[in-house]
Formats: sequence, structure tokens, C-alpha cells
Amino acid sequence: GAVVSQHPSWVICKSGTSVKIECRSLDFQATTMFWYRQFPKQSLMLMATSNEGSKATYEQGVEKDKFLINHASLTLSTLTVTSAHPEDSSFYICSAQRETGGNEKLFFGSGTQLSVL
Amino acid sequence: GQQLNQSPQSMFIQEGEDVSMNCTSSSIFNTWLWYKQDPGEGPVLLIALYKAGELTSNGRLTAQFGITRKDSFLNISASIPSDVGIYFCAGRTNAGKSTFGDGTTLTVKP
Repeated sequence: GAVVSQHPSWVICKSGTSVKIECRSLDFQATTMFWYRQFPKQSLMLMATSNEGSKATYEQGVEKDKFLINHASLTLSTLTVTSAHPEDSSFYICSAQRETGGNEKLFFGSGTQLSVL
Repeated sequence: GQQLNQSPQSMFIQEGEDVSMNCTSSSIFNTWLWYKQDPGEGPVLLIALYKAGELTSNGRLTAQFGITRKDSFLNISASIPSDVGIYFCAGRTNAGKSTFGDGTTLTVKP
């Protein structure tokens, strides 16, 4: 399967600081990437759709000024959690969409566990 | 929005037993995807289905795209301890919108 690299895997930060998470598609180009948040023992909650070269599309209830998304190239999308607070602590996962012959598949990164103190 | 009902929520089985889980929706999807997630990791794609009625296998795993396009099931045959994890279904529309089930937590006793 395709490889999506997400970095860092773990991050601990102080309240009020900003954290950047990177998502890279290593062996394919992805015009579309997605960012999710997952709470323990729950399903993935889509936060936003990241489109290469254009603004991200945020889901209802997700603050775009708090969760900044940049998709500057076909292989890299970044999520920056600005002025993080303890309630932002969560598992964040990205996915990249690969199209092959008209069929689409979503491949996920390994996730980032964010802990805000 | 679209919702997926995934069942069962959890399963406790003996090694060697077969497992079946499914997802249903009131909405039509054009693609069904099945994933497995281990603790602290991202989901890993198991099987992708693109046509109504399609039956696809991946080793001991078999999944089918329902004829009505509103459901899909995943079967695991002869389960082994490493099958433990959370299994998610995902339905995708033509617009590229994915909806995830709530997951099935599988526990396999050796």
C-alpha cells in the first residue's frame, strides 16, 4: 500500500504555544488530504479537507483560525494548532487520497498524540 | 449528514473462530473501505470496494459491497491473536466525502 508519513508521533507542549504537524505522501501525489481528530475509543472526526494550492475546507464547528492548514505541495500538508490549550489534547490523524484508474483510496498517517500541559 | 451504523460495537472471540461485522447506512455510497487501527496508530487500509455486489478478499479477510450500495460487511476467517484491534468501515460519495463507522473492537483469546 501507499505510504503516508506523519510527524511528529508525540508532542507535549505548554499551554499557549503552537504546534505544527506534518503529513507527507511519500510515494504518490495527493491533491487532497484530510485531517481528523480522534478521542479514545471513538471514531475519526473529520476536521478539514486540505486542497493543494487552495484554502482548506473546514467542517462545521472547527475553528479555522485555531487549526491552520497549509497544503503547499502535492505531497505535504501541515496542521498547526495555534495557542494550544489542554482541551486541544487529542490524537490527530491525516490521510491522503490516491486516485488510480478512477478509483480512490485513502491512506492514513500514523497519527500524532498531542498533550497540552 | 450521512451516518453509518457499524455493528457489533465489540466482539470477544476464541482464536480460530470466524468473525463478521457490517456497516449500514440510509445513504448510498460509491466506495466502501475497511480499515484496521491498532492503539496509538493510524488506520491501515484492508480492503477497498468500488462496485455494488463486489466481493473482494485479502488473505483471511473478505468484504462485500452491498447490492443496494447502502451496506458492506467484513469477514475474518480463522482469527489469530494479531487480528486484535479496532475495525472501521468508511463509505465515500462521488463528492469525495467519507463517513466513518464507530468501529468494531475485536478481542481474540488465544
